Amino acid sequence: QLQLQESGPGLVKSSETLSLTCTVSGASINSNPYYWAWIRQPPGKGLEWIGSISYSGSTYYNPSLKSRVIISVDTSKKQFSLKLSSVTATDTAVYYCARHPGSASEFESWGQGTLVTVSS
Amino acid sequence: QSALTQPPSASGSPGQSVTISCTGTNSDVGTYNYVSWYQQHPGKAPKLMLYEVSKRPPGVPDRFSGSKSGNTASLTVSGLQAEDEADYYCTSYAGRTTYVFGTGTKVTVL
Repeated sequence: QLQLQESGPGLVKSSETLSLTCTVSGASINSNPYYWAWIRQPPGKGLEWIGSISYSGSTYYNPSLKSRVIISVDTSKKQFSLKLSSVTATDTAVYYCARHPGSASEFESWGQGTLVTVSS
Repeated sequence: QSALTQPPSASGSPGQSVTISCTGTNSDVGTYNYVSWYQQHPGKAPKLMLYEVSKRPPGVPDRFSGSKSGNTASLTVSGLQAEDEADYYCTSYAGRTTYVFGTGTKVTVL
């Protein structure tokens, strides 16, 4: 059974880089055709797709965040990661990792989410 | 990319039906049949309820159905039950492996 678990600091200072990791269990992270995504939700607000990485390591980013985002994968650790640079208070959110079974497909499995607060 | 437009709220009595709309553009909903819907209870992760407009994953009751016309997709929950009270979000593929989410709708069971 697929499980996704986010981890990382819950507090990040303004202007610094937010770093999160998603650990995958119950599935191979480099198995075709799966993609792995980061999605966030500010407190009391809606969901926003941040970006995805494919089974082959290709990356795709939300145009509004593209200049600040890097998503990478560590196959040996069965993890994929998110780095968001130059954070501000508007980046405070619950960050979810998820899997989608194709480049256009639905987010079929989600992690439980982790709250990251940006402090000044 | 702009968020897809959903009504902020919808409600119905137990046993009734409620329909939520999700309006996008010719760049997303209007072009692709990759619209999915998610249910989110407070403090929980979203759960996939429908994909490719109207397909249900295993375990999702057939009370949940979906459709699309032009730039607007819809989710209908028939035979409302107390456990259906939650926030619902649509999302659409927007080309080049990008996605846009809806603004979200809070469904209240009266």
